Amino acid sequence: GAGVSQSPSNKVTEKGKDVELRCDPISGHTALYWYRQSLGQGLEFLIYFQGNSAPDKSGLPSDRFSAERTGGSVSTLTIQRTQQEDSAVYLCASSSESRGRETQYFGPGTRLLVL
Amino acid sequence: GNSVTQMEGPVTLSEEAFLTINCTYTATGYPSLFWYVQYPGEGLQLLLKATKADDKGSNKGFEATYRKETTSFHLEKGSVQVSDSAVYFCALIGNSGYSTLTFGKGTMLLVSP
Repeated sequence: GAGVSQSPSNKVTEKGKDVELRCDPISGHTALYWYRQSLGQGLEFLIYFQGNSAPDKSGLPSDRFSAERTGGSVSTLTIQRTQQEDSAVYLCASSSESRGRETQYFGPGTRLLVL
Repeated sequence: GNSVTQMEGPVTLSEEAFLTINCTYTATGYPSLFWYVQYPGEGLQLLLKATKADDKGSNKGFEATYRKETTSFHLEKGSVQVSDSAVYFCALIGNSGYSTLTFGKGTMLLVSP
């Protein structure tokens, strides 16, 4: 079946511009996660959505970062006024979360480069 | 908070050599433990997992045993192949609060013919 998909696969932007990254989770998965993979910091959790509950935003590095999930499915991560330190691979994952701590399935990522 | 420590790489081996990548963790209670693999140019894939003490996860010839007494989850394979060259990440999900993954920094494995 279809896995987690992300778009775009690559994004180059200029410092100060806003960017939107999209994630389509596996159909039926109620939990959706955003992570960031960068050379200096490794893999970091950003934000987590579970069903209709309030999202866990504890990993967002600054208020320039926000995310939403519409209709319990597709999610968009928005970075406003991008900075060079935002350059990284942004990964989305989803899980069935039926009992907690279920396996998370990752998308291919969006590679963001801020010039 | 939760944390994962894994050996730094790169680990360089010849084909058919024995592999061990060490992983230790800090967490309260009984977390679930995972190994993810990232092949060149590809996304993260789950390799194996264990959800309780003394469980052994296994897949594609790789194994890891959940050792509560040493808070470890070392990855092993008896005979590596060139196709195993990748970056391996140890990770955990804690047993309290939200189920987000905490990752180690990754270990690159390079296998030569």
